[in-house]
Amino acid sequence: QKEVEQNSGPLSVPEGAIASLNCTYSDRVSQSFFWYRQYSGKSPELIMSIYSNGDKEDGRFTAQLNKASQYVSLLIRDSQPSDSATYLCAVKTQGAQKLVFGQGTRLTINP
Amino acid sequence: GAVVSQHPSRVICKSGTSVKIECRSLDFQATTMFWYRQFPKKSLMLMATSNEGSKATYEQGVEKDKFLINHASLTLSTLTVTSAHPEDSSFYICSAREWSSATWGEQYFGPGTRLTVT
Repeated sequence: QKEVEQNSGPLSVPEGAIASLNCTYSDRVSQSFFWYRQYSGKSPELIMSIYSNGDKEDGRFTAQLNKASQYVSLLIRDSQPSDSATYLCAVKTQGAQKLVFGQGTRLTINP
Repeated sequence: GAVVSQHPSRVICKSGTSVKIECRSLDFQATTMFWYRQFPKKSLMLMATSNEGSKATYEQGVEKDKFLINHASLTLSTLTVTSAHPEDSSFYICSAREWSSATWGEQYFGPGTRLTVT
């Protein structure tokens, strides 16, 4: 079982709709969770971090964390074509230095 | 804030030569830097973790004699690909983390360096 799993997609969403991206992780002592956005040919950009159960909102983005079920999700409201990218879920375990990345979900927003 | 730069952004070299890539944190002190490589349409692969003033910790399967990492200051880390071969052609990306983020782990990525070995 992979440590961090994401559906590779592609996920197609019409413009203006809500895009929902999901990520599950296997290590129960994971403490930090991140969503990175990566445009084709570019490096990842940190867009959300979440550390405690519940929702965290930042503009059109909402991260949701459920440690009991070991999943973290990212909702993008009012999706725009510029949101089309690969979204990487990353998890940090307590005491570890490195982040463990999922393989990414490719999101396409259709005008 | 949290800006990381990389230089060069793109490099083409001949097989057998060495290439040095610089990674700088511009507005914070990076106690830890990470080096990744990414092949087209593949996920990030962590190569090594370097702490300022210490030897880098390499991931399993990464040749430390081929990928030399130096993290001599709190704002600069370098990756040298020695005796590069075409199979080393890839997108190399560094990330940096400041001391205050050590517990929670936010990493900020540089823009990446595209290496092509001919």
